[in-house]
Amino acid sequence: GQQLNQSPQSMFIQEGEDVSMNCTSSSIFNTWLWYKQDPGEGPVLLIALYKAGELTSNGRLTAQFGITRKDSFLNISASIPSDVGIYFCAGHSGGYQKVTFGTGTKLQVIP
Amino acid sequence: ETGVTQTPRHLVMGMTNKKSLKCEQHLGHNAMYWYKQSAKKPLELMFVYSLEERVENNSVPSRFSPECPNSSHLFLHLHTLQPEDSALYLCASSLRPQLDAFFGQGTRLTVV
Repeated sequence: GQQLNQSPQSMFIQEGEDVSMNCTSSSIFNTWLWYKQDPGEGPVLLIALYKAGELTSNGRLTAQFGITRKDSFLNISASIPSDVGIYFCAGHSGGYQKVTFGTGTKLQVIP
Repeated sequence: ETGVTQTPRHLVMGMTNKKSLKCEQHLGHNAMYWYKQSAKKPLELMFVYSLEERVENNSVPSRFSPECPNSSHLFLHLHTLQPEDSALYLCASSLRPQLDAFFGQGTRLTVV
């Protein structure tokens, strides 16, 4: 089956620093999604990418759909304490194929 | 508040109990899902309903029984669960199948 490798698994950063995380797949996806999950809450969709090479921003967040369609990147600029949480990537092959989720990157911000 | 509401938020049940999880959305979405989230594992899709018909059942044990009476409500009926079934159960809905899903806050289930 499809697998998504997300890295890093966890990271500690200083407030104000930029953050990068990525997701790689053994197979091609048509859509990449990035979610954030706060403790005790469900995941919230941050950015959706629908086209290879696409670069999309949502405030301080920027995500890119890799040219090979097998990877995606999420960058957070000028991190703040409320960025703490677990970030999940997810890929979708199309139609009624299920969405495959990564294992998550746990982000902790040191004030 | 994402528009998807799950109740209860927390549930502790014995292995011989029968309980139900409830999910409600008023976003006008056509598809609803149940996911299981266990520690250090990716989100696992359990069931997909599209227009109130089950379109996917990912080899989920029969002790989990979903029900979708209408496009706004989804239930997960639980009976004779095992301790390893303890997890966060998330409901989600979307306008298009599997994409742009809005998640509920989840039900933290503990089986004792």
